[in-house]
Amino acid sequence: SQTIHQWPATLVQPVGSPLSLECTVEGTSNPNLYWYRQAAGRGLQLLFYSIGIDQISSEVPQNLSASRPQDRQFILSSKKLLLSDSGFYLCAWSGGGSYNSPLHFGNGTRLTVT
Amino acid sequence: GENVEQHPSTLSVQEGDSAVIKCTYSDSASNYFPWYKQELGKGPQLIIDIRSNVGEKKDQRIAVTLNKTAKHFSLHITETQPEDSADYFCAASMGTGTASKLTFGTGTRLQVTL
Repeated sequence: SQTIHQWPATLVQPVGSPLSLECTVEGTSNPNLYWYRQAAGRGLQLLFYSIGIDQISSEVPQNLSASRPQDRQFILSSKKLLLSDSGFYLCAWSGGGSYNSPLHFGNGTRLTVT
Repeated sequence: GENVEQHPSTLSVQEGDSAVIKCTYSDSASNYFPWYKQELGKGPQLIIDIRSNVGEKKDQRIAVTLNKTAKHFSLHITETQPEDSADYFCAASMGTGTASKLTFGTGTRLQVTL
């Protein structure tokens, strides 16, 4: 069966520090991968998605970037964190090559920028 | 782009009663409508989804209805139980390209009381 791992579960970082969140998927090949951010009391906002290695699409301009160095690895990064980057970050995967495949989410990383 | 509105933001029902959550979407091209349940501190989990060629879908105590003309869809939970207490999110996708680019509603916090 397929599993998705995200780490760390919680993270507290000072303003101006770098960020690296990692997500890996097991049990499937060529998945589509996604990064979402969830603000308190609001829905999920799509940040990036990837349909293949080194193929990244950005949905909103921001202080973050994403990379996919391997088929089942997705990384969210920032060179200098802002207070507004605080939130709950969720990685997800769906079946590759199908635009209406269900998304399967990891358990997220709670990021607090101080 | 797509806009999804969800109501109510909070819902309290007594155990055994039914709960209904409603969503509207703006883009008539949307053709995939999943519902997610999110428990505290965890990632959202898909509970049911419906595609635009179907008007209703049921899975045990959970059902979803879709009205394409009015551009709204609803989640129905019957015989609610305490374990149904969670945040629920609807979403819509236009189904273009090769990725599932979901637009989420802002969520409904369901509380089932004894």
